[in-house]
Amino acid sequence: QSALTQPASVSGSPGQSITISCTGTSSDVGTYNYVSWYQQHPGKAPKLMIYDVSNRPSGISDRFSGSKSGNTASLTISGLQAEDEADYYCSSYTSSSTLVFGTGTKVTVL
Amino acid sequence: EVQLVESGGGLVQPGGSLRLSCAASGFTFSSYWMHWVRQAPGKGLVWVSRINSDGSSTIYADSVKGRFTISRDNAKNTLYLQMNSLRADDTAVYYCTRKRAGTHSIDYWGQGTLVTVSS
Repeated sequence: QSALTQPASVSGSPGQSITISCTGTSSDVGTYNYVSWYQQHPGKAPKLMIYDVSNRPSGISDRFSGSKSGNTASLTISGLQAEDEADYYCSSYTSSSTLVFGTGTKVTVL
Repeated sequence: EVQLVESGGGLVQPGGSLRLSCAASGFTFSSYWMHWVRQAPGKGLVWVSRINSDGSSTIYADSVKGRFTISRDNAKNTLYLQMNSLRADDTAVYYCTRKRAGTHSIDYWGQGTLVTVSS
């Protein structure tokens, strides 16, 4: 199972919106609405930000939103803040009953 | 409060074995499926293995199949990962994680334990 494809880096100024893409195949993202997004700060464990494409766990800011079209899922961060600077990973359930993660995106707040 | 605390990491020679443990607390461990996820230094997250709530069903990434074994002891609220025939590319932080009920996301992560395979 190959990793889902994400851009290596995305940047934006405070207050702006950015979008991170996550491209898979018909064996994962394209078939299942089980796409999740995780935020990871340096030296820390990942944190669930979005599950099932567009749902936010309790306590996650509504500045984070998710969507999916075909084989590509997206995470949008609106009103970008300094604390949003981190690595972001998508994941998807697969037709093999496994999970696959994305390659990761480093978000920089300019 | 949900807590997942890994232990058992360390330095091991290529071809060696190691058993990781994950002590779970703050939730009904026996009701949840669990995953192991790893992250090589400076690299991305990689899914390793999953076990269902009663331990009767397991699945592995191709890269560890036949070498790693996931198991659990629900009486001890503990998840395990037995790692045999270790290779240099198994070097990583290993995270114990909980599968969110009703979906296929991971809602809680441990702090991770570092496994280094080197001679």
